[in-house]
Amino acid sequence: DGGITQSPKYLFRKEGQNVTLSCEQNLNHDAMYWYRQDPGQGLRLIYYSQIVNDFQKGDIAEGYSVSREKKESFPLTVTSAQKNPTAFYLCASSADRHVAQYFGPGTRLTVL
Amino acid sequence: EDKVVQSPLSLVVHEGDTVTLNCSYEVTNFRSLLWYKQEKKAPTFLFMLTSSGIEKKSGRLSSILDKKELFSILNITATQTGDSAVYLCAVESRSGGSNYKLTFGKGTLLTVNP
Repeated sequence: DGGITQSPKYLFRKEGQNVTLSCEQNLNHDAMYWYRQDPGQGLRLIYYSQIVNDFQKGDIAEGYSVSREKKESFPLTVTSAQKNPTAFYLCASSADRHVAQYFGPGTRLTVL
Repeated sequence: EDKVVQSPLSLVVHEGDTVTLNCSYEVTNFRSLLWYKQEKKAPTFLFMLTSSGIEKKSGRLSSILDKKELFSILNITATQTGDSAVYLCAVESRSGGSNYKLTFGKGTLLTVNP
């Protein structure tokens, strides 16, 4: 089955800890994206990558970091510098750099 | 700053009703407008619109874009309870050089009651 997987589904962390969210795709897509969704808000772009070993900041990159060492994988680290990390995180990928059409199931992060 | 505004923010209808969801935008270097349906978790892609006045249709859903007035509508006819979801509008624009990005609206929460 082709698709995007995110793990874990739910994640709890204590304040001050870094945490890494996984995103893997087997769609052979070049472009991958991380979004954050808060209640009553639209999706906001954190980081995106159009090609392996390259990525750009989105609108709300502060307190986050990413890597793109493999085409299939685009992990997101939420660092202790992120002031309000509790949110629903969605990863997406697209065949080319223009649109994000396929989303993963999301990870709900709660920082206690 | 790019902006996408959806209205209404929420809507409650009865099965069989027809609904119209609105999306207006202000972006530089517009490329396309997309509609997604989000039921519980992952948004699923509905339509991508790039040209004005050309209706895209899929079953009971249809959408049209007006690039002069900078808005799009999503119509759902003969609504069913399974249409209950958040409908997201997103606009693709060039963010500098060869980089593109999607800007999302806050979504419209549609509830269809039996």
